[in-house]
Amino acid sequence: AQSVSQHNHHVILSEAASLELGCNYSYGGTVNLFWYVQYPGQHLQLLLKYFSGDPLVKGIKGFEAEFIKSKFSFNLRKPSVQWSDTAEYFCAVKGYNQGGKLIFGQGTELSVKP
Amino acid sequence: GAVVSQHPSWVICKSGTSVKIECRSLDFQATTMFWYRQFPKQSLMLMATSNEGSKATYEQGVEKDKFLINHASLTLSTLTVTSAHPEDSSFYICSAPLAGGQSEQFFGPGTRLTVL
Repeated sequence: AQSVSQHNHHVILSEAASLELGCNYSYGGTVNLFWYVQYPGQHLQLLLKYFSGDPLVKGIKGFEAEFIKSKFSFNLRKPSVQWSDTAEYFCAVKGYNQGGKLIFGQGTELSVKP
Repeated sequence: GAVVSQHPSWVICKSGTSVKIECRSLDFQATTMFWYRQFPKQSLMLMATSNEGSKATYEQGVEKDKFLINHASLTLSTLTVTSAHPEDSSFYICSAPLAGGQSEQFFGPGTRLTVL
């Protein structure tokens, strides 16, 4: 069965610090990978996605993620975080033949101190 | 981007009553919609896949008689929590993908259900 694991439950950073959130998945076939963000009181928004091609994916708001197939990983990075990045971040996986179903990781709460 | 709405945004009901939650795709058609449940400080758990014109597909452990799903049109799916109990209190979120192989899903704002 598919599963997604996010290593960090809660990350606290100061502004301008660099960010890396880990995400590993378990699935035997081709996958599509996503990172979503949920700001306090708001709905989920897509940060970036990987379907194929260049494994380094750039998303909105300066975020990027790298797909490393051999490690089954899709870590999210940002070189310099801002207070406004405070939110919950979810990694998600969609198996190629899974009818569009997304499987989410546990989520990582990011708190950025001004 | 595409917009998905949910109604109501929050609802409080008495134990034993039924509650209906609507999910609409406002500017696109969705033959498939997904229903998730999110507990506080936890991830989204997929409950079921709603299919227009056919029966919903439920994930393992989700009671189909408890969580009735109807996908009556290409823009509307409803989730009815029947005979609700306090343990059904949660945040229910729907999503809908655009057509096409490399489509992303668009999420509704969620519905907060509190069962007293």
